Amino acid sequence: GAGVSQSPSNKVTEKGKDVELRCDPISGHTALYWYRQRLGQGLEFLIYFQGNSAPDKSGLPSDRFSAERTGESVSTLTIQRTQQEDSAVYLCASTEGPNSYEQYFGPGTRLTVT
Amino acid sequence: GEDVEQSLFLSVREGDSSVINCTYTDSSSTYLYWYKQEPGAGLQLLTYIFSNMDMKQDQRLTVLLNKKDKHLSLRIADTQTGDSAIYFCAESDGSSNTGKLIFGQGTTLQVKP
Repeated sequence: GAGVSQSPSNKVTEKGKDVELRCDPISGHTALYWYRQRLGQGLEFLIYFQGNSAPDKSGLPSDRFSAERTGESVSTLTIQRTQQEDSAVYLCASTEGPNSYEQYFGPGTRLTVT
Repeated sequence: GEDVEQSLFLSVREGDSSVINCTYTDSSSTYLYWYKQEPGAGLQLLTYIFSNMDMKQDQRLTVLLNKKDKHLSLRIADTQTGDSAIYFCAESDGSSNTGKLIFGQGTTLQVKP
């Protein structure tokens, strides 16, 4: 039983480039969440998946951000035309379902946009 | 919208008790949580409390919930240097059925030997 894994652990990119961040949730967990943590701040919700559908995308900050999930498993968060304000740690979490009380978090991907 | 507020910093001596406070706005939250984040590490769920409870104790941790005042606290007894970390308060978003969490900005706990 591995936990939630994310890759890469660190990503440095130039402003204007596209990046893809990957999340592998715990096997069998149907609910998946992406959060963003800017330096010195709490986590901000980005998007929620139930299965392969995303019924709540309300936290995505702009149309440069998108995410998908396939096979009710892996999820990819894509940021197009990255900006310096996108620099943050992006965390993924999964749970057995939306009514499960515990979200299991991955270690995060630290994104630095130069 | 929903909001969670915490004080930013707390410093205690080893062996003392630490109390970290949090206020929230969403009265329909089902669960309230305390997470711990150590430098360079992910988030670890410390404890949680169901909204119809007033208190929960788990070894050195005591959570108190005052629903009337929308106030949540975490008490760590006999604080150790290994407890130094950032502590996040979070509430489940009661207005949606997604289970998403709303986090405070975190309280940095410094434990001096």
